[in-house]
Amino acid sequence: AQSVTQPDIHITVSEGASLELRCNYSYGATPYLFWYVQSPGQGLQLLLKYFSGDTLVQGIKGFEAEFKRSQSSFNLRKPSVHWSDAAEYFCAVGPSSGSARQLTFGSGTQLTVLP
Amino acid sequence: DTGVSQDPRHKITKRGQNVTFRCDPISEHNRLYWYRQTLGQGPEFLTYFQNEAQLEKSRLLSDRFSAERPKGSFSTLEIQRTEQGDSAMYLCASSSTGTGGLEQYFGPGTRLTVT
Repeated sequence: AQSVTQPDIHITVSEGASLELRCNYSYGATPYLFWYVQSPGQGLQLLLKYFSGDTLVQGIKGFEAEFKRSQSSFNLRKPSVHWSDAAEYFCAVGPSSGSARQLTFGSGTQLTVLP
Repeated sequence: DTGVSQDPRHKITKRGQNVTFRCDPISEHNRLYWYRQTLGQGPEFLTYFQNEAQLEKSRLLSDRFSAERPKGSFSTLEIQRTEQGDSAMYLCASSSTGTGGLEQYFGPGTRLTVT
């Protein structure tokens, strides 16, 4: 069974500082990987995705993530955080084979941005 | 592309009542998913449709829950005899069949409160 761990429940950074949110997954093969962002009371917005190929993927809003097979990780990064980035971030894994089509999400990391 | 829409956005009901939620997917997407999200957690998969066929159901989907997608367009999720434990955000997502249907786009959700 696939699973996702986001070790940091809450992270606080100052505006303009760099950001890295951690994500570790468990899956028998190379999965499909995703990062979503959720603002309070809202649905989830897809930030970026990894299916295959280049292990460094670029997303929207200046975010990027790097797939590291050896560490089973897919950490999200941003070089300079803006106040509007304050939200909850979810890492998700999907199966790259088989008939199952659901995403499995981590429990999220809440990001607070200080002025 | 108007995105995934859900109705209502909020629902307050008394324990024991039945509720029904509606989801309208992105028009060209043939796959539709339902997830449930409780406070402080990531979304959990409930069920998914390809066109009008319900292809997968989670063990979370008890007998009190039923989902339909009668014409392969919008979908409804009904909860019968609601319980306080059903209080959650119910999220709908849609996707095309590309990349295994795993690139899912979410609606704003329906927040259910059972009193």
